[in-house]
Amino acid sequence: AQSVTQLGSHVSVSEGALVLLRCNYSSSVPPYLFWYVQYPNQGLQLLLKYTSAATLVKGINGFEAEFKKSETSFHLTKPSAHMSDAAEYFCAVSEAKRGGADGLTFGKGTHLIIQP
Amino acid sequence: DGGITQSPKYLFRKEGQNVTLSCEQNLNHDAMYWYRQDPGQGLRLIYYSQIVNDFQKGDIAEGYSVSREKKESFPLTVTSAQKNPTAFYLCASSVNSGLAGHYTGELFFGEGSRLTVL
Repeated sequence: AQSVTQLGSHVSVSEGALVLLRCNYSSSVPPYLFWYVQYPNQGLQLLLKYTSAATLVKGINGFEAEFKKSETSFHLTKPSAHMSDAAEYFCAVSEAKRGGADGLTFGKGTHLIIQP
Repeated sequence: DGGITQSPKYLFRKEGQNVTLSCEQNLNHDAMYWYRQDPGQGLRLIYYSQIVNDFQKGDIAEGYSVSREKKESFPLTVTSAQKNPTAFYLCASSVNSGLAGHYTGELFFGEGSRLTVL
């Protein structure tokens, strides 16, 4: 069975500092990997996705993530944090073999806090 | 604009009552999903449907029911059998993964419905 582990339920960084949100996955087959962002009382918005093409994936709002098969990781980064980045971030996995028949498996989320 | 519409945004229920959450999409997606979100728990899959008139249980289906009579609609009923129904419910859709070359894996989400049991 596939699973996702997000290290750190809360991450706090200063405005302008590097953002690093960690995600490790478990999958028996090559995975598709996703990062979503959620603002309070809203739905989830896709930041970026990895679908077996380039291992370094660029997304919206200056975020990027690197797929590392050897480490089973898909960490999310942004060089310089902005106050508007404060939100909940979810990493998710789908098993390509099954074509994601049962949707995505999500991590428990990381709440990103930006200090002025 | 294309998207997913969930209603109502906020809903209050007395214990013992059934409630139905609406989810409509105009993205022409075949697959639709219901997730439940609790603080610190991430998203957990309740039910999903890949085609009209067919649906499958997810990880936490007990106390919930769904129907898929139309491609664009996937309502969720929270029954009185659900012992802890207070949560944020999210509906999503995607391109049918069963069609070769069409799978992207991406889910598109609605804005959610917050259910509170009084």
